[in-house]
Amino acid sequence: DAKTTQPPSMDCAEGRAANLPCNHSTISGNEYVYWYRQIHSQGPQYIIHGLKNNETNEMASLIITEDRKSSTLILPHATLRDTAVYYCIVRVRITQGGSEKLVFGKGTKLTVNP
Amino acid sequence: DAEITQSPRHKITETGRQVTLACHQTWNHNNMFWYRQDLGHGLRLIHYSYGVQDTNKGEVSDGYSVSRSNTEDLPLTLESAASSQTSVYFCASSPSGRGTDTQYFGPGTRLTVL
Repeated sequence: DAKTTQPPSMDCAEGRAANLPCNHSTISGNEYVYWYRQIHSQGPQYIIHGLKNNETNEMASLIITEDRKSSTLILPHATLRDTAVYYCIVRVRITQGGSEKLVFGKGTKLTVNP
Repeated sequence: DAEITQSPRHKITETGRQVTLACHQTWNHNNMFWYRQDLGHGLRLIHYSYGVQDTNKGEVSDGYSVSRSNTEDLPLTLESAASSQTSVYFCASSPSGRGTDTQYFGPGTRLTVL
């Protein structure tokens, strides 16, 4: 099961900031928070990830609380093309090898309205 | 540009037939993954590979097999297709090593088993 909790849906006005919350109260100290999104009928797209510090890239910002039990993905100026399902994922560490698989929950359906 | 491709994009087959879905990436990534996506379940991991000759079962591996004979390809085989395997299949790849591997997804294959 996914280790994260997200609201099933959110709405945002075009041009405004979209703030998508995620709870991950059982996160371990060495687990990262990843965000992906999936636009209808396409493959998931990587957005951003972080461990404990806030992160920013050309797509979004990630704010992680000090206790790391929750985070917020911020799309600073949402456009209609940002309408998608957004997945917050905590990296699951497996027992062999040096790589971790992703466990997807049901995500948040973000609708950006004109 | 480097990329990950899947073929075919759409496939209709009959119950009991063997089906192979292709996944090819040109990033030289060691890690490759197969997921299926169904309404109400999100993305679920089928099989994954950390390198040539390495394969591992995911959470929904029954009825599926993979083989990794080179770095670029991870074909997914349905030995005897069942209606329950009607789904959208996504392939992904990521670079090797511990830590913050980012997975990059292909465009998906929509499979219908009649």
